[in-house]
Amino acid sequence: QVQLQESGPGLVKPSQTLSLTCTLSGGSVIDGGHYWSWIRQHPGKGLEWIGYFYYGGDTYYNPSLKSRITISADTSKNQFSLKLSSVIAADTAVYYCARGPRGVVVITQWGRGTLVTVSS
Amino acid sequence: EIVMTQSPATLSVSPGETATLSCRASESVSSNLAWYQQKPGQVPRLLIYGASTGSTGIPARFHGSGSGTEFTLTIISLQSEDFAIYYCQQYSQWPYTFGQGTKLDIK
Repeated sequence: QVQLQESGPGLVKPSQTLSLTCTLSGGSVIDGGHYWSWIRQHPGKGLEWIGYFYYGGDTYYNPSLKSRITISADTSKNQFSLKLSSVIAADTAVYYCARGPRGVVVITQWGRGTLVTVSS
Repeated sequence: EIVMTQSPATLSVSPGETATLSCRASESVSSNLAWYQQKPGQVPRLLIYGASTGSTGIPARFHGSGSGTEFTLTIISLQSEDFAIYYCQQYSQWPYTFGQGTKLDIK
């Protein structure tokens, strides 16, 4: 069973870049049968899909964040990452990395999530 | 983007009774609709996809129905562990979007 674990700073200053990494165990990011996602949840609020990709395929970014997001994979480390630039207080959220089966774009496995606070 | 609207925001039901949660899409999503359950301090868990197909290991008391723009999650004979927040999610059109959630409370 694959496990996903987010890592990165819990505090980011406004205007800086938020950088998170998702490390996989028990599975591979080059697994063509799954896609890999970043999703966030604002405190006490609902869920927002940031973006996702299939290894060797396209990467999809939420248009509301597209100009600020980069999602990429590091196959040598079996990781994928999220970079969100020019952060503001409204980017404060729990960030989840997640995976779902290719063909049905739902989330079947989640990391535990990491709270990122944007504050000076 | 497609807006998902869930109702009610909070639903109070007694254990053993049936809960009916609604989700409406701002345009047709066909059957590309999923339901998740989230308990405090936990990650969401996939319950239903394809509007009506139960995910692996989900108890039979969870039923999804609907297509197009109107969807329902019915939970029969509520158990104590079912009191949580429920989200619908469409995966018909990118960006995939979630409803704002229905909190199922113990009455």
